[in-house]
Amino acid sequence: ETGVTQSPTHLIKTRGQQVTLRCSSQSGHNTVSWYQQALGQGPQFIFQYYREEENGRGNFPPRFSGLQFPNYSSELNVNALELDDSALYLCASSSSGLYQETQYFGPGTRLLVL
Amino acid sequence: KNQVEQSPQSLIILEGKNCTLQCNYTVSPFSNLRWYKQDTGRGPVSLTIMTFSENTKSNGRYTATLDADTKQSSLHITASQLSDSASYICVVGRASGTYKYIFGTGTRLKVLA
Repeated sequence: ETGVTQSPTHLIKTRGQQVTLRCSSQSGHNTVSWYQQALGQGPQFIFQYYREEENGRGNFPPRFSGLQFPNYSSELNVNALELDDSALYLCASSSSGLYQETQYFGPGTRLLVL
Repeated sequence: KNQVEQSPQSLIILEGKNCTLQCNYTVSPFSNLRWYKQDTGRGPVSLTIMTFSENTKSNGRYTATLDADTKQSSLHITASQLSDSASYICVVGRASGTYKYIFGTGTRLKVLA
């Protein structure tokens, strides 16, 4: 186990709704990255937070937003859910925002949008 | 365009055999290359990470190679075990820009008894 936890483990929403996913980083880590992994695909980078600031963003629309708290836990918010948002959402923590740092992944939250 | 391509898409081998997975990338500026193992329904677990100056990195029965000139990497698994059945994902990190990590789609490996 990596020490990175995510909640909830599974979630079902309907199109147009909003969802908040949560991630607790590994002790001592100040950086959290979020990824979307569609079935049978590799993860796609959504964004990264380093010390409560967004520190990089992938090709996702603004309805994907995030927060990092002073304890370095993080939230991913998705507004106006679409069917294609159905995926496994992974968060990963690392000890710094440096590119060469190893990331430790949580087990993911599986989101189904109906 | 920043891309990471992996081959083969899937692979079936017998327990005890060796195998090699390939990763080609067109990511720049290059920072590092990582291999992850992802069991079904779980988050990826880091196997190796290599920077530009490293040609090879081992982690037990896993050995990764990197040729930064040809922009190719391979992951060699020796004496495969049933527990090696998983997806293996190649990830290239960028040295600058907002798209920090480019993931391949993975190779799905099945080891049979």
